[in-house]
Amino acid sequence: GAVVSQHPSWVICKSGTSVKIECRSLDFQATTMFWYRQFPKQSLMLMATSNEGSKATYEQGVEKDKFLINHASLTLSTLTVTSAHPEDSSFYICSATDRGIYYGYTFGSGTRLTVV
Amino acid sequence: AQKVTQAQTEISVVEKEDVTLDCVYETRDTTYYLFWYKQPPSGELVFLIRRNSFDEQNEISGRYSWNFQKSTSSFNFTITASQVVDSAVYFCALSEAGSSYKLIFGSGTRLLVRP
Repeated sequence: GAVVSQHPSWVICKSGTSVKIECRSLDFQATTMFWYRQFPKQSLMLMATSNEGSKATYEQGVEKDKFLINHASLTLSTLTVTSAHPEDSSFYICSATDRGIYYGYTFGSGTRLTVV
Repeated sequence: AQKVTQAQTEISVVEKEDVTLDCVYETRDTTYYLFWYKQPPSGELVFLIRRNSFDEQNEISGRYSWNFQKSTSSFNFTITASQVVDSAVYFCALSEAGSSYKLIFGSGTRLLVRP
């Protein structure tokens, strides 16, 4: 079945630094990837949608300059949290789909970011 | 705009009881997909089911069953003879053609199955 690999699984960084999270589709071409953020005991909130080779589409209220998304190839999308602050500490999870919704969504295992 | 409501924040049952998790959705699209996911403490999302808007057939998979009713915009999930391993957070989600199929989640229902 379709597999999405997300790295790192957890990361601790100092306030003010940037952190990059990678999401790779291992056995299919991910034309579209989605990035979500989940705070403790809350739901998954969609941050942005990225299509290969295009700029990401951000949801309302998500700062595009803070959360940089790159989807340069059909198998890799990255989320960079720039100048991270403690309030950015959260669980980030990516999801990928290929051309058809019929094939559903495949989720990464998530990245727990802690900013100290 | 698409919306998913899971009114039950937390449910606690004793093992072997049946439990139903409610999901109500809103969409203006005629083409949409509904999903249920399980999220254990590890955080990974486990896919349970996908239903498209043109298929109202109910589905049973082992102890799991789903009741899709377009008339009430509901897609409820029942676990029969619950087990401790069923303890997790369950999310209902919706994607619609008009929103480029982005997947929107409900707030989730935390299920605790006690021995």
